[in-house]
Amino acid sequence: AQKITQTQPGMFVQEKEAVTLDCTYDTSDPSYGLFWYKQPSSGEMIFLIYQGSYDQQNATEGRYSLNFQKARKSANLVISASQLGDSAMYFCAMRPFMNRDDKIIFGKGTRLHILP
Amino acid sequence: DAGVTQSPTHLIKTRGQQVTLRCSPKSGHDTVSWYQQALGQGPQFIFQYYEEEERQRGNFPDRFSGHQFPNYSSELNVNALLLGDSALYLCASSFGLAGGRFNEQFFGPGTRLTVL
Repeated sequence: AQKITQTQPGMFVQEKEAVTLDCTYDTSDPSYGLFWYKQPSSGEMIFLIYQGSYDQQNATEGRYSLNFQKARKSANLVISASQLGDSAMYFCAMRPFMNRDDKIIFGKGTRLHILP
Repeated sequence: DAGVTQSPTHLIKTRGQQVTLRCSPKSGHDTVSWYQQALGQGPQFIFQYYEEEERQRGNFPDRFSGHQFPNYSSELNVNALLLGDSALYLCASSFGLAGGRFNEQFFGPGTRLTVL
């Protein structure tokens, strides 16, 4: 079965600290993509970062980095120097490539609260 | 450059009624995907439209149907509404079918449907 697991329902982090959001996935497809999205209270899903299963290096986008450990099937999001505007829901997601499937499978999310 | 737009923003219906939600894709995009996000959950894939045809479908009953118009905009129709259909309905647009490659989906702000 293809599944995304996010075990942290909520997290509280002091502003300017780094934060790691956990994500593990399950798929039998050898080729897949992993995503992180941010969803503020407005509801719109904002794409943050992407990691392909065959990418040799961990993806980075500004303050976001993805700690990809393929053997452990984990894809944790690291946010450096957190800001108050980072408070939101964060979703880990996956798209298996084998069947040329376009659908994205999402986890249940982690609500991140940044404290001033 | 307008992003993905959805209408209406909010909608209240009663059980048994029918509802139509609308989505206009980001400029230059020709593919529209629909997701249902129940409260406290991650989005779940409903279906995807490309070239005015339903290309892929998630695990949703036939009460959920859709349409794509020649200008690439799309509608999601839900018949015989149930209380469990209450959710945020997200539309995402992209260019072409992703197949086995990265293809970013841009999400709209969603339509919040409440069924009483």
